[in-house]
Amino acid sequence: DTGVSQDPRHKITKRGQNVTFRCDPISEHNRLYWYRQTLGQGPEFLTYFQNEAQLEKSRLLSDRFSAERPKGSFSTLEIQRTEQGDSAMYLCASSLERGAITDTQYFGPGTRLTVL
Amino acid sequence: AQSVTQPDIHITVSEGASLELRCNYSYGATPYLFWYVQSPGQGLQLLLKYFSGDTLVQGIKGFEAEFKRSQSSFNLRKPSVHWSDAAEYFCAVVRINTGTASKLTFGTGTRLQVTL
Repeated sequence: DTGVSQDPRHKITKRGQNVTFRCDPISEHNRLYWYRQTLGQGPEFLTYFQNEAQLEKSRLLSDRFSAERPKGSFSTLEIQRTEQGDSAMYLCASSLERGAITDTQYFGPGTRLTVL
Repeated sequence: AQSVTQPDIHITVSEGASLELRCNYSYGATPYLFWYVQSPGQGLQLLLKYFSGDTLVQGIKGFEAEFKRSQSSFNLRKPSVHWSDAAEYFCAVVRINTGTASKLTFGTGTRLQVTL
């Protein structure tokens, strides 16, 4: 079990640039979640996938944000035209959904984004 | 909608002292409850979870938590704190899956400082 991995761990960008983050979930997990965590706050849900299907998006996910999970394995989160308010830790989590019961979400180390 | 309240933003305890971190949730039915720990700049590590059954659950690193339905609480305890326990602690709730997203809702966290 290699755990959830995220890349890069840190990203510094200038306002207006596009950035893309990658998440590799635990291999047998069919659900993948993205959360955002700002300083002094708990993580907030952004979106989640079951296999390759994106099933829910938070209102926090503006149209500048897009997430994909093309083959039901890794996922990418892209932010276009970054703003300083996008500066945050972006966390990925995965879990194994079995029937109507959802199991524990396991988190990656996160990608810290700083927008200058 | 579910919500989680962690009333203590910051707690300081001496090494070897006992610890209790408070968590109250708001939810219309029995939720799944979690405690996660986050070290600076890191992702979240699961300490313990409550899904059903025995209301006193044991976790890793000597932590335990007790689910009290009458008080809508899920407080985290440790009988003797170690300096390495200094971190941010998050309580979280997830709606039991009824076909909708099983996203986690987090509290704002409690920062634990341990003095030697």
